[in-house]
Amino acid sequence: DAGVIQSPRHEVTEMGQEVTLRCKPISGHDYLFWYRQTMMRGLELLIYFNNNVPIDDSGMPEDRFSAKMPNASFSTLKIQPSEPRDSAVYFCASSPGQVPLPGYTFGSGTRLTVV
Amino acid sequence: AQSVSQHNHHVILSEAASLELGCNYSYGGTVNLFWYVQYPGQHLQLLLKYFSGDPLVKGIKGFEAEFIKSKFSFNLRKPSVQWSDTAEYFCAVNPYNQGGKLIFGQGTELSVKP
Repeated sequence: DAGVIQSPRHEVTEMGQEVTLRCKPISGHDYLFWYRQTMMRGLELLIYFNNNVPIDDSGMPEDRFSAKMPNASFSTLKIQPSEPRDSAVYFCASSPGQVPLPGYTFGSGTRLTVV
Repeated sequence: AQSVSQHNHHVILSEAASLELGCNYSYGGTVNLFWYVQYPGQHLQLLLKYFSGDPLVKGIKGFEAEFIKSKFSFNLRKPSVQWSDTAEYFCAVNPYNQGGKLIFGQGTELSVKP
């Protein structure tokens, strides 16, 4: 298995532009998570899906952020319009749905820089 | 508020020193516990996990962790660190009543001097 695949690896964009981050989870994993990592706030859970349905989006910072999971093999995180304070590394992770939770597999992340 | 606390923000050790990183959580009830490692410039990787049974769990690369239920703690240990252990370490908790959600601590940065 290729693991969790994120694209792009790096994104530099100007303030006000739309940014779309992509994630392909491991096949068969029921859960998909989007995290944001910054020096100041550490790892923050933004949103997670179970069987393609958003379960908890309480971590999404504001309406400029949106996430979708149209099918079991693809998810997007969109920021529109982007701002410099959105600069961070965004990680996607997936997990099987079994109990107990076996843990997440993380993707390599997308480093977003908004100038 | 429910949380996961890692008391040490940055730990500096010399090679061959022993390591213990603290992790405490404030969730009542049953929890699953994890330690993840993030090497510089890389993504998080699972070091070890605890679900039930023997409270002393062994993970990869010589790491182990002990679950002490009465103290709500899950400290990470390694008898002798190497330069290659330089990384950031994250404790995480999955409360049974929160489905697939993992709550991460703020992380501890470990620097090992050769």
